[in-house]
Amino acid sequence: GENVEQHPSTLSVQEGDSAVIKCTYSDSASNYFPWYKQELGKRPQLIIDIRSNVGEKKDQRIAVTLNKTAKHFSLHITETQPEDSAVYFCAASSGYQKVTFGTGTKLQVIP
Amino acid sequence: NAGVTQTPKFQVLKTGQSMTLQCAQDMNHNSMYWYRQDPGMGLRLIYYSASEGTTDKGEVPNGYNVSRLNKREFSLRLESAAPSQTSVYFCASSEERILNQPQHFGDGTRLSIL
Repeated sequence: GENVEQHPSTLSVQEGDSAVIKCTYSDSASNYFPWYKQELGKRPQLIIDIRSNVGEKKDQRIAVTLNKTAKHFSLHITETQPEDSAVYFCAASSGYQKVTFGTGTKLQVIP
Repeated sequence: NAGVTQTPKFQVLKTGQSMTLQCAQDMNHNSMYWYRQDPGMGLRLIYYSASEGTTDKGEVPNGYNVSRLNKREFSLRLESAAPSQTSVYFCASSEERILNQPQHFGDGTRLSIL
């Protein structure tokens, strides 16, 4: 089955700096890569996703890149703010319920 | 529009007790899921239901049973709770008639087994 590895497990950045979280996947059939943000004690919520026919997608301060050849994808957050502090999960899916999550990255933005 | 609603939000059980976690969604989604979340292990799929009347095992199904009562409701049952089942349980739903759609999560049930 699919295996998704996520790094780093914790990340501290100064407010205004950029943060990058990286994930690798093993199943070449995976073609959908969502990212979820989970604030302390809250539900995971989708922040951005990318499909395999696209190499990069951006939404304001958040961007995701995908390298299908290398089987890795990354989340980039620019101009970080304290409200970006949360746990971020990557995931990979080959469709129809086959979603595998990474183990999460705890991002701390220091004011 | 409530989205995905889980009950209860918190529960403490003794080893060997049984319990059912409830989940309901009002988005008319076909697919529903149960995950458990443990520190450092991300979200692991317990069971899922692709549509009303069908259920399938996920990554960690042992010790659990599920029922897809109708299109809206998907329940998770612990028949004989064990301390290893102490976790946060999330229910989710998605519209999988359209390939590769995001999952929508409930607020979670925090379950402690003593």
